[in-house]
Amino acid sequence: EIVMTQSPATLSVSPGERATLSCRASQSVSSNLAWYQQKPGRAPRLLIYGASTRATGIPARFSGSGSGTEFTLTVSSLQSEDFALYYCQQYNNWPPYTFGQGTKLEIK
Amino acid sequence: QVQLVESGGGVVQPGRSLRLSCAASGFTFSYYGMHWVRQAPGKGLEWVAIISYDGSDKYYADSVKGRFTISRDTSKNTLFLQMNSLRAEDTAVYYCAKDLYNFGSGNWGPGDYWGQGTLVTVSS
Repeated sequence: EIVMTQSPATLSVSPGERATLSCRASQSVSSNLAWYQQKPGRAPRLLIYGASTRATGIPARFSGSGSGTEFTLTVSSLQSEDFALYYCQQYNNWPPYTFGQGTKLEIK
Repeated sequence: QVQLVESGGGVVQPGRSLRLSCAASGFTFSYYGMHWVRQAPGKGLEWVAIISYDGSDKYYADSVKGRFTISRDTSKNTLFLQMNSLRAEDTAVYYCAKDLYNFGSGNWGPGDYWGQGTLVTVSS
């Protein structure tokens, strides 16, 4: 099973600034990596797939990069609605699909 | 627009069974694989199972294999999760999700649309 490790666990950033979230896979997942956003009491929302492709309706301030074992989600110019939990997920070697433990993006 | 609505959650005693449903609309249900993903209270996301567009292929997480069964009824645009021999550690919100890719792509991917979830509580 591929283990996904996200860092940091919590990231404090001021509105308008840039946030950079990391995700590492225990072995290569090629570019088969997705990012989700989840707000309290809500379902996850797909942000990025294929490591760098934005899902339908996702603002351009969200961008993804990386391949193999190291991935990054960048949120440029943070808006109030961007403060949430973020998960990465690999879909290269499955079953099982595996998620990272999440990064909480909070207001500084 | 794509809509997924789960139902069937509730409180159940350990060892008992429960069947979850996910009603799909707004897309051609028979073209897409479907997932179940769960989230224990205050915890992260755990993938549970996936079924292919035509129901011929099914895969499970080790934690539920042999106890849970995923199925679909294309005539009713509905996805199911039959959960048997339930344990306290199965307590979670269960989400259904539509796979990003349709059958024509030959690929399996992440869930691009998710339902609102249904809570299953296993407790005596």
